[in-house]
Amino acid sequence: EAGVAQSPRYKIIEKRQSVAFWCNPISGHATLYWYQQILGQGPKLLIQFQNNGVVDDSQLPKDRFSAERLKGVDSTLKIQPAKLEDSAVYLCASSLYGEGEQFFGPGTRLTVL
Amino acid sequence: KQEVTQIPAALSVPEGENLVLNCSFTDSAIYNLQWFRQDPGKGLTSLLLIQSSQREQTSGRLNASLDKSSGRSTLYIAASQPGDSATYLCAVRDNFNKFYFGSGTKLNVKP
Repeated sequence: EAGVAQSPRYKIIEKRQSVAFWCNPISGHATLYWYQQILGQGPKLLIQFQNNGVVDDSQLPKDRFSAERLKGVDSTLKIQPAKLEDSAVYLCASSLYGEGEQFFGPGTRLTVL
Repeated sequence: KQEVTQIPAALSVPEGENLVLNCSFTDSAIYNLQWFRQDPGKGLTSLLLIQSSQREQTSGRLNASLDKSSGRSTLYIAASQPGDSATYLCAVRDNFNKFYFGSGTKLNVKP
């Protein structure tokens, strides 16, 4: 079974630029999560999708972050414009259903200069 | 708001030692608790998932226990190996389907 795929693996941008991350969850998984992990901290949930609907986006900075889940499968997370404090690893995870075990992708390491 | 704490932040042990990692949470009304392993530059690998009705789960050399009333979970690693070196994270799912992660314990097993 293929795992959660993410791209790119690394991204370096300057502040005020835009960036987008892509996630392909495990086939058949209805729930998809985006997390932000700052160095030395645990992951913080940004947004949770159930199929193509948003379940929780309470910690998503909506003035600059946006996310969508195309047809309930792949998802993209966008930052526009980026700030220095957005430097982090962005992790995507999926689960079969909302309360199920989460499986994580390798993450995208973003550096904002 | 749920807060998850993992102490110690870092731990160094000689190979072969049995060890315990701790995770505490402030609100006992949880749905489940999951332990993860994170290697440098990598994503998280799920180790064990304990439902709120369970007391423990075992997988190989790993055993996780859950005591909801005291707000604690422990991850026991038997006969530690250098390959066990990684950061171990616990995450709590509450009854509103929100996740809370601890900041992790960085384990170093010395050969």
